Amino acid sequence: GQQLNQSPQSMFIQEGEDVSMNCTSSSIFNTWLWYKQDPGEGPVLLIALYKAGELTSNGRLTAQFGITRKDSFLNISASIPSDVGIYFCAGRSGNTPLVFGKGTRLSVIA
Amino acid sequence: EAGVTQSPTHLIKTRGQQATLRCSPISGHTSVYWYQQALGLGLQFLLWYDEGEERNRGNFPPRFSGRQFPNYSSELNVNALELEDSALYLCASSLGQGSYPPQHFGDGTRLSIL
Repeated sequence: GQQLNQSPQSMFIQEGEDVSMNCTSSSIFNTWLWYKQDPGEGPVLLIALYKAGELTSNGRLTAQFGITRKDSFLNISASIPSDVGIYFCAGRSGNTPLVFGKGTRLSVIA
Repeated sequence: EAGVTQSPTHLIKTRGQQATLRCSPISGHTSVYWYQQALGLGLQFLLWYDEGEERNRGNFPPRFSGRQFPNYSSELNVNALELEDSALYLCASSLGQGSYPPQHFGDGTRLSIL
């Protein structure tokens, strides 16, 4: 079945630093989504991508749909303490269920 | 606009019992998805319902089942509970499937098996 490799598994960064995380797939996707999950809550949608090469921003967050359609990355600029949480990528090909990465746990040191 | 709501927030059961989890989608959403998130793991797809029909099923045993009601709310039933069923169960909803719309999640039901 489809697999997503998300990296890094965890990150410790200083407040104000930029963050980059990525996901790669064993197969082609036509949709990439990025979610953030805070403790005790469900994942919250950050950015949705639908076209290869698409670059989309949401405030300090920027995500791109890779040209090969097998990868995506998420950047966070000038991190702040409330960026702490687990970030998940998710993808799908056609009318199939989403496949999720295992998450990147972000910790921000003030 | 209310988001996806799940109940109960927490559920404690013992091995062999049965559990029922409920989900109300965002108004206007016809698709409901169920995921299992075990501690330290990502989200594992369980079930997908759209317009009252089961559209897809993940790699889980038949004791995991569910249904979608005419008002698009959904139930997840887990029979013969086992210790490894302890997890956060997340429900998500989306608009119909025509344009692969993104899914929006509830805050989950934490199921603990003693």
